[in-house]
Amino acid sequence: DAGVTQSPTHLIKTRGQQVTLRCSPKSGHDTVSWYQQALGQGPQFIFQYYEEEERQRGNFPDRFSGHQFPNYSSELNVNALLLGDSALYLCASRRTSGYNEQFFGPGTRLTVL
Amino acid sequence: AQSVSQHNHHVILSEAASLELGCNYSYGGTVNLFWYVQYPGQHLQLLLKYFSGDPLVKGIKGFEAEFIKSKFSFNLRKPSVQWSDTAEYFCAVNGDSSYKLIFGSGTRLLVRP
Repeated sequence: DAGVTQSPTHLIKTRGQQVTLRCSPKSGHDTVSWYQQALGQGPQFIFQYYEEEERQRGNFPDRFSGHQFPNYSSELNVNALLLGDSALYLCASRRTSGYNEQFFGPGTRLTVL
Repeated sequence: AQSVSQHNHHVILSEAASLELGCNYSYGGTVNLFWYVQYPGQHLQLLLKYFSGDPLVKGIKGFEAEFIKSKFSFNLRKPSVQWSDTAEYFCAVNGDSSYKLIFGSGTRLLVRP
């Protein structure tokens, strides 16, 4: 049973560029959340997707957007990259029903130069 | 504002020593509480969780945590640590009406053999 998978594992971009990160949830999971983990910090919630819609959003600007596909996989898009966007981006999935335990993927390390 | 505080940022112990990591939260209403662990080079894994019932919860690898509602605390304990417990530990909380996890800044534990 594959867990949560993310691609790519590492990415280097320059300021002003745009980036797309991808996530496949754990089998049987229908809800996907994205988190940003800056160096030395705990993960911070960006948003959550369920039934292809954004269900809740954290305190992140509109430059951060997402999408969920019918197969429950998800993308995180960041426009107009800033140096401060350099971080580990984590995807987490869960089943909507039942206890809301989230399973995390390995993350995508984004470096903005 | 909702927040989680982990007061110990770095902890160094010798093998067989006892461990207690502090976690305090600020959240109005019913909460669900979690401890996650991130071993070097690995992704976040759930150690244990509290949703309701017995405030003393047991997790994997001999870890346990106690929810003290009056103190807004959910401290993690292990009676005897091993070298393999070297990792970063994150406390997290969410409310029944919210989908997002709020994380503390983490505690880096180094266990010396």
